[in-house]
Amino acid sequence: IQMTQSPSLLSASVGDRVTLSCKAGQNINNYLAWYQQKLGEAPKLLIYNANSLQTGIPSRFSGSGSGTDYTLTISSLQPEDVATYFCQQYNSWTTFGSGTKLEIK
Amino acid sequence: EVQLVESGGGLVQPGRSLKLSCVASGFTFNNYWMTWIRQAPGKGLEWVASITNTGGSTYYPDSVKGRFTISRDNAKSTLYLQMNSLRSEDTATYYCTREGNYFDYWGQGVMVTVSS
Repeated sequence: IQMTQSPSLLSASVGDRVTLSCKAGQNINNYLAWYQQKLGEAPKLLIYNANSLQTGIPSRFSGSGSGTDYTLTISSLQPEDVATYFCQQYNSWTTFGSGTKLEIK
Repeated sequence: EVQLVESGGGLVQPGRSLKLSCVASGFTFNNYWMTWIRQAPGKGLEWVASITNTGGSTYYPDSVKGRFTISRDNAKSTLYLQMNSLRSEDTATYYCTREGNYFDYWGQGVMVTVSS
């Protein structure tokens, strides 16, 4: 299943509400996870099952969506959120999106 | 604290073999599926192999099927990836991860470079 993330690059200001998009090639039944990868580090799980917040992740991160269209929202962007964000489907085997690089304006 | 520590990476010539290891701690290893995921330099993430908690079943994408073998030793809390017939496109950082659907813990990664 192909996963398409948009935009590929996003610039926003501290305090902004930020929305990242992930579109699946077919219905993935909410079997979707989001990861944050900072430069030089391993990815970190943020969200699973489309909208469940992983333990220890700040509540400013949230996930939503259904069917083929999913969104990761950061309610108030912080400097430490600079990273690349990947979505992953696990409805049929597993595939990842190509990522959205988030930077501070 | 959950820890996953990979080792065994390095520079290898095309067509040769390499075996990666991942030592797990901080959780009951034999309760969890485990998975290898790789990331080519500057690229995205690719699933490489998964194994059930008992080691009884293994799963691979077509890109590595027949060349890579995932295995585990539950007595040693260690996950392995035997990589044969390596190609330049296998050059990547390889991550050991916990679970088989979404991946809640990741190792720091180990670099594998396939080049003559």
